[in-house]
Amino acid sequence: AQTVTQSQPEMSVQEAETVTLSCTYDTSENNYYLFWYKQPPSRQMILVIRQEAYKQQNATENRFSVNFQKAAKSFSLKISDSQLGDTAMYFCAFMKQPNTGNQFYFGTGTSLTVIP
Amino acid sequence: DSGVTQTPKHLITATGQRVTLRCSPRSGDLSVYWYQQSLDQGLQFLIQYYNGEERAKGNILERFSAQQFPDLHSELNLSSLELGDSALYFCASNKMGQNYGYTFGSGTRLTVV
Repeated sequence: AQTVTQSQPEMSVQEAETVTLSCTYDTSENNYYLFWYKQPPSRQMILVIRQEAYKQQNATENRFSVNFQKAAKSFSLKISDSQLGDTAMYFCAFMKQPNTGNQFYFGTGTSLTVIP
Repeated sequence: DSGVTQTPKHLITATGQRVTLRCSPRSGDLSVYWYQQSLDQGLQFLIQYYNGEERAKGNILERFSAQQFPDLHSELNLSSLELGDSALYFCASNKMGQNYGYTFGSGTRLTVV
């Protein structure tokens, strides 16, 4: 079975600073995808970034980037130039490849507060 | 707009009652997933349907049931409601085998009083 662990229940960062959210996972699979979802106060679940396990290059989406360490089974999210709108709950997620059923596993989330 | 439509957005009902939550998946997506998120909790997987058939089951109570119709919309039925069933219920969809993660609806907030 796959597990996803987010060890930081809450974090805060000053506006315009950089923050890193941690995520580790446990799997015996070799092919999989990793995701970070954002859930702002509106409670909508929004995909932030995804990473294919077979790619060594870390994914980047504007101010969001990941540090993917496959051997260490670590998948951290870095948010640069933090903005007030980044205040949200962030969920790390793992998806087995190929996804033939419910092969999607979420962590318990990290609540991020951006301080003006 | 994510393309996944959930109705209603808010629902307030009394204990012992039954409610139906509706989800229309994104166009072309055959899989529908239901999740429950209680206050300050993570996402609990309830059930998955693929093209009308139940594909996977999670921690879904016997009082809860779901189905997916030929037009691919899905309904989650919650009966004999208890205070503890108050939560945000999400529907998500994707194409089986597709690797872009799930697309979530905006959720239905259920309050049982």
